[in-house]
Amino acid sequence: GAVVSQHPSWVICKSGTSVKIECRSLDFQATTMFWYRQFPKQSLMLMATSNEGSKATYEQGVEKDKFLINHASLTLSTLTVTSAHPEDSSFYICSARVLAGSSSYEQYFGPGTRLTVT
Amino acid sequence: AQSVTQLDSQVPVFEEAPVELRCNYSSSVSVYLFWYVQYPNQGLQLLLKYLSGSTLVKGINGFEAEFNKSQTSFHLRKPSVHISDTAEYFCAVIPYNQGGKLIFGQGTELSVKP
Repeated sequence: GAVVSQHPSWVICKSGTSVKIECRSLDFQATTMFWYRQFPKQSLMLMATSNEGSKATYEQGVEKDKFLINHASLTLSTLTVTSAHPEDSSFYICSARVLAGSSSYEQYFGPGTRLTVT
Repeated sequence: AQSVTQLDSQVPVFEEAPVELRCNYSSSVSVYLFWYVQYPNQGLQLLLKYLSGSTLVKGINGFEAEFNKSQTSFHLRKPSVHISDTAEYFCAVIPYNQGGKLIFGQGTELSVKP
């Protein structure tokens, strides 16, 4: 149980275009999802916290107009990278938090999406 | 503010040898503690967690970790590693009552050689 999927697993796009990444909790409901960015050989950097039915909370330094996050349902959050540039190329990972019991702080991670902007 | 420090960026070890990956944290409030493993081009998989109770925690794949509150450490150990344990390992904490955000260490690359 507690499986999180991401789609697509990798994407190549041209500079100036927008890309949407989906994050789904497959067998549980997640009121909170998190979006991370990871550069090669580095740790995960939290970009934003997404709560179902409300606006995402962005971390300091993350451009909310560039990285649009929508959490329309209890099983789906999307990250749209608008007007992508080569410096946006990275590995994007989402996670979802289960609410119940002692696992209330545990996050389950998706497999990641590799974005390459040419 | 909270922080997590993984003392070794790379740990090379021979197959079947024991290994310890070190993790220290700094926090003004109590924390939950986690170890995650990341294989190349994949997401993170939870190895083990400490929420409360016994300070020795056993996880998947033969790993265990011990929470030491006085030393603010949560070192990860395995008595005998396999080639398949080669991966990146992340220590992380979630501070109490702060929205459930994970704070990650910088990661330790474990390289198991035959």
